[in-house]
Amino acid sequence: SYILTQPPSVSAAPGQTATITCGGTNIGDKVVHWYQQKAGQAPLLVVYDDSDRPSGIPERFSGSNYGDTATLTVSRVEAGDEADYYCHVWDGTGDRRGVFGGGTRLTVL
Amino acid sequence: EPQLVESGGTLVQPGRSLRLSCTGSEFLFDDYGMHWVRQAPGKGLEWVAGLSWSSRTIGYGDSVKGRFIVSRDNSKRSLYLQMNSLRREDSGLYFCVRGYLGGDHDRGAFDMWGRGTTVIVSS
Repeated sequence: SYILTQPPSVSAAPGQTATITCGGTNIGDKVVHWYQQKAGQAPLLVVYDDSDRPSGIPERFSGSNYGDTATLTVSRVEAGDEADYYCHVWDGTGDRRGVFGGGTRLTVL
Repeated sequence: EPQLVESGGTLVQPGRSLRLSCTGSEFLFDDYGMHWVRQAPGKGLEWVAGLSWSSRTIGYGDSVKGRFIVSRDNSKRSLYLQMNSLRREDSGLYFCVRGYLGGDHDRGAFDMWGRGTTVIVSS
């Protein structure tokens, strides 16, 4: 089955840029979605279709996807961005399964 | 405001069965694919199962295939998860999630999440 690999943790100071990666074989050929989950809350979609933002999500959140790595970039990091972030794809095989990355904890220093 | 509300989570013994339900409101429930995603305590997200708006396409995660059955009743705006032969590792928070508008189940992002219902499998 398809595997997505994320770093367990990333940190950034307020105002800086945080980069969260999601690795997978030829992930650039797939469509990637990103979710933010704050402590005690349900996940929230922050980027869909590699680089689009749902209504209400700040422009500070952006995504890209090429080759073997998809990336979520959080610019001008704020304290409220501290959360776990998950990437998600559909594996595209006969079993038609959804796949999540293991998640990355963003810590705001 | 559109929302999803799950119910049915409880403490259950290993090997027993349990049925989760989810009701959607304030959106066209029967136009969307629907899914179950779970999260074990302190762990990450795991896609459990999903089906298209028409139930024409259905998929299951490896860890539940053959034990769980996902279904929906659009007339009741409801999604279900029949969980059989439960194991301790099935414990966690189960989220009902809205998927893609139209089409097959394995497309698009999850743009609406319920608050979840907790399943504890223990003797």
